[in-house]
Amino acid sequence: EPEVTQTPSHQVTQMGQEVILRCVPISNHLYFYWYRQILGQKVEFLVSFYNNEISEKSEIFDDQFSVERPDGSNFTLKIRSTKLEDSAMYFCASRGDSRRNEKLFFGSGTQLSVL
Amino acid sequence: GQQLNQSPQSMFIQEGEDVSMNCTSSSIFNTWLWYKQDPGEGPVLLIALYKAGELTSNGRLTAQFGITRKDSFLNISASIPSDVGIYFCAGQYRDAGKSTFGDGTTLTVKP
Repeated sequence: EPEVTQTPSHQVTQMGQEVILRCVPISNHLYFYWYRQILGQKVEFLVSFYNNEISEKSEIFDDQFSVERPDGSNFTLKIRSTKLEDSAMYFCASRGDSRRNEKLFFGSGTQLSVL
Repeated sequence: GQQLNQSPQSMFIQEGEDVSMNCTSSSIFNTWLWYKQDPGEGPVLLIALYKAGELTSNGRLTAQFGITRKDSFLNISASIPSDVGIYFCAGQYRDAGKSTFGDGTTLTVKP
């Protein structure tokens, strides 16, 4: 089965540093998402992306966050100046082009640790 | 924003027992989803429900979309050790990819 690939699996950074989390969605998918999960908590929606622009974003996704699809295969999440509370597992997800194709494929996540 | 209340928070059961967990919401959803998450992995979709009242099975799993569109349950019959994990309900209202997740039910199955 096709899968969403995320790199790195674990990222450690100092507070205030910029990080870029990378994702390769499934190749024929058109809708892309970032979710995060703080340790022991629920999965939370961050942002959705379609047709090279943000479709919707949550309150968590403030000015420190940005997303980009720099080429035909990668989808990145950038955090400009990391804070301690940004420590979480970040999941990328993608789905196909049908509105009813709600099966989201999640990647295995990037564990971000901000020290 | 929309909130989902998922219960129970955790369950400890013997292998072979049946399991039931549910989610309720203060607002309606158009789609209910149930995911399982193993340690260090992303959520994997188990069952998707599209219509109020719908009852869907996937092997030993059965889930229902509540008539009011504000609740859903998941049943697992004859549990086995590999059922261990965290089960999340999730609701979707408009965007089929933007999901609101419940807090999760941690299932432990004792052989």
